[in-house]
Amino acid sequence: DIQMTQSPSSLSASVGDRVTITCRASQGISNSLAWYQQKPGKAPKLLLYAASRLESGVPSRFSGSGSGTDYTLTISSLQPEDFATYYCQQYYSTPHTFGQGTKLEIK
Amino acid sequence: QVTLKESGPVLVKPTETLTLTCTVSGFSLSNARMGVSWIRQPPGKALEWLAHIFSNDEKSYSTSLKSRLTISKDTSKSQVVLTMTNMDPVDTATYYCARILWGSYPDYWGQGTLVTVSS
Repeated sequence: DIQMTQSPSSLSASVGDRVTITCRASQGISNSLAWYQQKPGKAPKLLLYAASRLESGVPSRFSGSGSGTDYTLTISSLQPEDFATYYCQQYYSTPHTFGQGTKLEIK
Repeated sequence: QVTLKESGPVLVKPTETLTLTCTVSGFSLSNARMGVSWIRQPPGKALEWLAHIFSNDEKSYSTSLKSRLTISKDTSKSQVVLTMTNMDPVDTATYYCARILWGSYPDYWGQGTLVTVSS
């Protein structure tokens, strides 16, 4: 199984900050990576796929990059509605494993 | 529009078998490359991928749970069913189903259903 390691596990930031979340795969996943945002009591929401492609309707302040085993999610200017938990998921090979999540909190 | 809805028991006893149903609309389970995944999330914990099934009946399971899981589909009813045997309190979680395309990621998710395992 491919292990997905996210860092940090939690992050405090302020509105307007630029934040970066990292996801590392235990082996190369050829950009087969999705990022999700989850708010309490809600299902995850797809933000990006193929490591860097923005899902329709997702604000452009969200971006993704990376290759091989290392990937990042960047939020360029935090908005109040962005405080949530973020997960990465690889879909390169089954099982389609998730990272352990990054909780983004208001400073 | 695409929707998915999970249904099943709210409470199961330890050692019992859980049966969850995902009813989909807005797409067909018989369409080429179309599939459904099951994912769960224990309270306060991370997402865990469980299984998926595709229109060609190709199936895949979580390595750690493979012996306890069975996924199947009824295309005529637009339903995907997940069974999990020998339930334990650690299986208490919100269970989600989600649409996937072959070789792809979950794009549409159900609202989730909370299953509690307790005697």
